[in-house]
Amino acid sequence: GAVVSQHPSRVICKSGTSVKIECRSLDFQATTMFWYRQFPKKSLMLMATSNEGSKATYEQGVEKDKFLINHASLTLSTLTVTSAHPEDSSFYICSARVSGPGGLGPKLFFGSGTQLSVL
Amino acid sequence: AQKITQTQPGMFVQEKEAVTLDCTYDTSDPSYGLFWYKQPSSGEMIFLIYQGSYDQQNATEGRYSLNFQKARKSANLVISASQLGDSAMYFCAMRELNSGNTPLVFGKGTRLSVIA
Repeated sequence: GAVVSQHPSRVICKSGTSVKIECRSLDFQATTMFWYRQFPKKSLMLMATSNEGSKATYEQGVEKDKFLINHASLTLSTLTVTSAHPEDSSFYICSARVSGPGGLGPKLFFGSGTQLSVL
Repeated sequence: AQKITQTQPGMFVQEKEAVTLDCTYDTSDPSYGLFWYKQPSSGEMIFLIYQGSYDQQNATEGRYSLNFQKARKSANLVISASQLGDSAMYFCAMRELNSGNTPLVFGKGTRLSVIA
């Protein structure tokens, strides 16, 4: 299967600082990356859809100026949490589909997730 | 809008027994995919099994099988011969497939605990 590498796996930061999370597709091209957020003991909620070379599409209620998404290449998408606050503490996880001919069907591949803790 | 419902917040099963995790869905798209993922305490999302809306047979992957009842819009996961390592959160999810690169929409999950 395809591999999505997500870093860092865990980050602790002070309130007011910015944190960048990276997701790389290691052996395939990901024209679209999905970013999810998961609170403890809750389900995964879609935050935004990241398309290579264009602006991300944010779900209702997600602040685009706070959660900056950049998808500058077919193998890298980043999520930056700007001016983080304790309420931003959560588990963030990305996922992508193998695009193009020979893709592995409709399955989405997930990164390993990032646990963000804002003090 | 698409919707996934998992009505069992938690389930217990004896080791070596079978267990069924319930999932119902709703969509107006005739082409869709149904997925089950396992999420252990580490947080990673482990793909278990996939069922396409046009698949004639129920999907099976080792100890996992998906009981797909299209008319009832249900896609229950059956785990046979439960093992202690099966203890985790299990999420049912769906993608509508007629609209390009669509995301997965998840249910609330079921926490499975396997008892020795």
